[in-house]
Amino acid sequence: DTEVTQTPKHLVMGMTNKKSLKCEQHMGHRAMYWYKQKAKKPPELMFVYSYEKLSINESVPSRFSPECPNSSLLNLHLHALQPEDSALYLCASSQLRSRSNQPQHFGDGTRLSIL
Amino acid sequence: KQEVTQIPAALSVPEGENLVLNCSFTDSAIYNLQWFRQDPGKGLTSLLLIQSSQREQTSGRLNASLDKSSGRSTLYIAASQPGDSATYLCAVIMEYGNKLVFGAGTILRVKS
Repeated sequence: DTEVTQTPKHLVMGMTNKKSLKCEQHMGHRAMYWYKQKAKKPPELMFVYSYEKLSINESVPSRFSPECPNSSLLNLHLHALQPEDSALYLCASSQLRSRSNQPQHFGDGTRLSIL
Repeated sequence: KQEVTQIPAALSVPEGENLVLNCSFTDSAIYNLQWFRQDPGKGLTSLLLIQSSQREQTSGRLNASLDKSSGRSTLYIAASQPGDSATYLCAVIMEYGNKLVFGAGTILRVKS
């Protein structure tokens, strides 16, 4: 069982819909990440939160809006997505590197399909 | 810009074989290197993490080595099993950042 929980597992939405992806971890990690993974490609970093503050935005379009309400939760709000945004969206968490040299822990992802 | 390359792209072996997966990176200023496993439609499972000051790490039938100066890492899998079939990803974190840079992965199939 993964220690990072993502919901929903699957999401189908139209281009005009608004939806949110959720991620939760209870390992006390203070860094959380969103990745996008297209089929047969490696994950690509989208956002990094450190101490609930956005520290990295990899030039992601504004139709993706991240939110970190507390140290255990990470959301990704979706609005007006395009068909090319269909992908597996992965959440990960880790200790901050200044405190340890530990791996990132990944959830099982949300499979997103845009109609 | 860091680039991570994995060879081979795909590998098919009979059960019981020992095998080696290769990973190379262009910028040796890394903080650590991680090997992940990904099953179809699933997230990533961390297998081994090697700190930049280390040469190797072992976990069960897995052994990962790191030669930072030459920009290379290998993942050795002993006595392969059908359950080892998955995509194996190598990723590095740079000394000056918090971003994982991934290779494209090696798709492994172990035949029974």
